[in-house]
Amino acid sequence: GQNIDQPTEMTATEGAIVQINCTYQTSGFNGLFWYQQHAGEAPTFLSYNVLDGLEEKGRFSSFLSRSKGYSYLLLKELQMKDSASYLCALNDYKLSFGAGTTVTVRA
Amino acid sequence: DAGVTQSPTHLIKTRGQHVTLRCSPISGHKSVSWYQQVLGQGPQFIFQYYEKEERGRGNFPDRFSARQFPNYSSELNVNALLLGDSALYLCASSLASSGGGTDTQYFGPGTRLTVL
Repeated sequence: GQNIDQPTEMTATEGAIVQINCTYQTSGFNGLFWYQQHAGEAPTFLSYNVLDGLEEKGRFSSFLSRSKGYSYLLLKELQMKDSASYLCALNDYKLSFGAGTTVTVRA
Repeated sequence: DAGVTQSPTHLIKTRGQHVTLRCSPISGHKSVSWYQQVLGQGPQFIFQYYEKEERGRGNFPDRFSARQFPNYSSELNVNALLLGDSALYLCASSLASSGGGTDTQYFGPGTRLTVL
């Protein structure tokens, strides 16, 4: 397996920054996705990293280091609507997902 | 433009029955993938179809089967249902099957299957 690991839960305050880490143990993949999933809903696409480095999209940024088997998703200026599960997934035509990190944003 | 659509939204079955789930991809997308998501876990890959051909299969028993039609819609069939098959079944569509580049998979709302 690819042993994709994410923290189970994180809590942060509205307006703060949270970093969700994702580690994996494989070298054979095309890229790494981050998806957001609200309870009872489908995952929605956030970002995709193919090359090492940082990809920035508004309040969300994602980073990939292939040599370290590591990625993170950075959520800035947290809003209550950001409370959700965040899934990292390795892409090699199929997606292999981690278990997801549930982020709770408190006022 | 319509996103990925799935039907039905919810389904309740009993053990031993069979079920058919349906998915229509985003217009222009030729690849459809199916995933099973058990509560508290990430989605698990079941199948991928491209141009009506199976391009990949996950670690699921033969009770699970699927097909893709000429209009690129797809069906997932599960026979001899078990309690453990209770899950959210997600369909995702993408432009192609290569999985390379920025071939993003877009998910439908899912079908919530409950097996009693």
